[in-house]
Amino acid sequence: AQSVTQLDSQVPVFEEAPVELRCNYSSSVSVYLFWYVQYPNQGLQLLLKYLSGSTLVKGINGFEAEFNKSQTSFHLRKPSVHISDTAEYFCAVIPSGSARQLTFGSGTQLTVLP
Amino acid sequence: NAGVTQTPKFRVLKTGQSMTLLCAQDMNHEYMYWYRQDPGMGLRLIHYSVGEGTTAKGEVPDGYNVSRLKKQNFLLGLESAAPSQTSVYFCASTLSSSNQPQHFGDGTRLSIL
Repeated sequence: AQSVTQLDSQVPVFEEAPVELRCNYSSSVSVYLFWYVQYPNQGLQLLLKYLSGSTLVKGINGFEAEFNKSQTSFHLRKPSVHISDTAEYFCAVIPSGSARQLTFGSGTQLTVLP
Repeated sequence: NAGVTQTPKFRVLKTGQSMTLLCAQDMNHEYMYWYRQDPGMGLRLIHYSVGEGTTAKGEVPDGYNVSRLKKQNFLLGLESAAPSQTSVYFCASTLSSSNQPQHFGDGTRLSIL
């Protein structure tokens, strides 16, 4: 079984400041990793994913994430946030051999302040 | 291209009533999923389907039933609604490979009084 821990439930940050949203996972098998974003009253949208290869992956809206196998982490970063980045962000993992069980973290609410 | 469409978007039920939530996808995806989202708990998988005519239990299946009679549709049923089932329900779909992202609908907000 897999588990995902998002260490911060709420992250307030001022506009144009950098931000890091933390995600740690636990799994006995190899996994693929995803970050999703949820804007108010909407479904989840894919930000980026790590499957293999380069540990630094770039996604939409200027976000990037780094996979660290030894620390079992997949932290999301953005060098300069905008008001429009205010949303809830979810980290998720799935066993690399199965599409059956995507496990989500509890989410991090990012609030960008003017 | 509509993607994943959920109906209805909002519903209020009384305890003991039944209802069905409909999910439709037009991407020819094999896998479909029903999740519930509750504050501070992320998304939890209720049931899923790996193809037409198949269903399987997820993490929190009790009190729910599902059916996948057509590849493009995945129905979630509540036979006797309880206040604990007040939640936001999301449907998702994906191709059969685990490296493909899931595509989500906009959710159904369900309140059980």
